[in-house]
Amino acid sequence: NAGVTQTPKFQVLKTGQSMTLQCAQDMNHNSMYWYRQDPGMGLRLIYYSASEGTTDKGEVPNGYNVSRLNKREFSLRLESAAPSQTSVYFCASSEFTTLDTQYFGPGTRLTVL
Amino acid sequence: TQLLEQSPQFLSIQEGENLTVYCNSSSVFSSLQWYRQEPGEGPVLLVTVVTGGEVKKLKRLTFQFGDARKDSSLHITAAQPGDTGLYLCAGALTTDSWGKLQFGAGTQVVVTP
Repeated sequence: NAGVTQTPKFQVLKTGQSMTLQCAQDMNHNSMYWYRQDPGMGLRLIYYSASEGTTDKGEVPNGYNVSRLNKREFSLRLESAAPSQTSVYFCASSEFTTLDTQYFGPGTRLTVL
Repeated sequence: TQLLEQSPQFLSIQEGENLTVYCNSSSVFSSLQWYRQEPGEGPVLLVTVVTGGEVKKLKRLTFQFGDARKDSSLHITAAQPGDTGLYLCAGALTTDSWGKLQFGAGTQVVVTP
């Protein structure tokens, strides 16, 4: 039982490059989330998926797209990376709503030069 | 601007001392959660409080939700080095029908032997 897994763990991009962050959970959870964590800012919600087949914007969605590929997988895509997107990205999942325990992955540390 | 303000930002104490971390807002929350995060890992949920005035204890940790559901505190008794970590509070606004979490910036706690 791996919980929430994320790939890659580290990534360096040049401005304008694109990439996809992968996330998978094996807990049969309905809801999945993408956050970014910046120093002094806490975690900010980028996008979430309340159930398979639905996605909604969070607090900071600009510059990102998401895909809920199936119940297990929720990917985050940066189409044209910018230095402002340098951050640590966390994927999380919960059984249903945010009142349920959210389980976080280990994070992806992304640097955009 | 953070909806949830945590104080202090940093706390360094000796093993055996007590500490309190605060989480304050001018907004009302339907629930509030506390997480602990260790370097290189995702946050791990410690507790969820949902009722104004609620007090929950988890071994040496005591969590309180304010009567007006605008603030919370975390008190650790006889801190141990294993309590070292970043403590994050997160709340779901009453105005958010789905209950997306708003995170505070965190309090870094260091307990030295």
